[in-house]
Amino acid sequence: QQPVQSPQAVILREGEDAVINCSSSKALYSVHWYRQKHGEAPVFLMILLKGGEQKGHEKISASFNEKKQQSSLYLTASQLSYSGTYFCGLIQGGSEKLVFGKGTKLTVNP
Amino acid sequence: GAGVSQSPSNKVTEKGKDVELRCDPISGHTALYWYRQRLGQGLEFLIYFQGNSAPDKSGLPSDRFSAERTGESVSTLTIQRTQQEDSAVYLCASSLAGQGGLYEQYFGPGTRLTVT
Repeated sequence: QQPVQSPQAVILREGEDAVINCSSSKALYSVHWYRQKHGEAPVFLMILLKGGEQKGHEKISASFNEKKQQSSLYLTASQLSYSGTYFCGLIQGGSEKLVFGKGTKLTVNP
Repeated sequence: GAGVSQSPSNKVTEKGKDVELRCDPISGHTALYWYRQRLGQGLEFLIYFQGNSAPDKSGLPSDRFSAERTGESVSTLTIQRTQQEDSAVYLCASSLAGQGGLYEQYFGPGTRLTVT
């Protein structure tokens, strides 16, 4: 049931772009994205719902492919502050439980 | 307003002792979650409370783990006869009503548990 995230880690230079993927083997109802900086609690970035509704931060973009049971998080023109570990969490049909992937560690260097 | 708070922030205990971790959710949030995060690892779901419904305990790793919640307020996670593998950060999160994950979760700062 745990979603699979890829890549596991990525290193960028400031200003570069990155895509983080999250996939599931089961039908999805919604996908959540969170970012956790070292030693801190995870912070909400975005929710994508089946049917196309989204809510989240304006500077973050993501997609949700219901047919492929995948979501992707797009980080463009990365800033140093984007560094952290990104987690996707999935709500599968019939459940209220949010199950997180293992995370993608993003490092943005000057 | 106040965010999710957890206490204690750090707990060191001897193997075999019981520990109790506390979570105060954001007022008005009916959903409350507990997660475990081992060093360098992801967020492992433990238990989920939603209003007066029966909690989803499917993530509790053993019968040494239990949790309670009083109404829509404070929750306590109890670990009995602690083992070294229980060492981790225990995170609590709350959100507005579930409904298929429509609402974001707000995380507390966590309790770092070390079992010696």
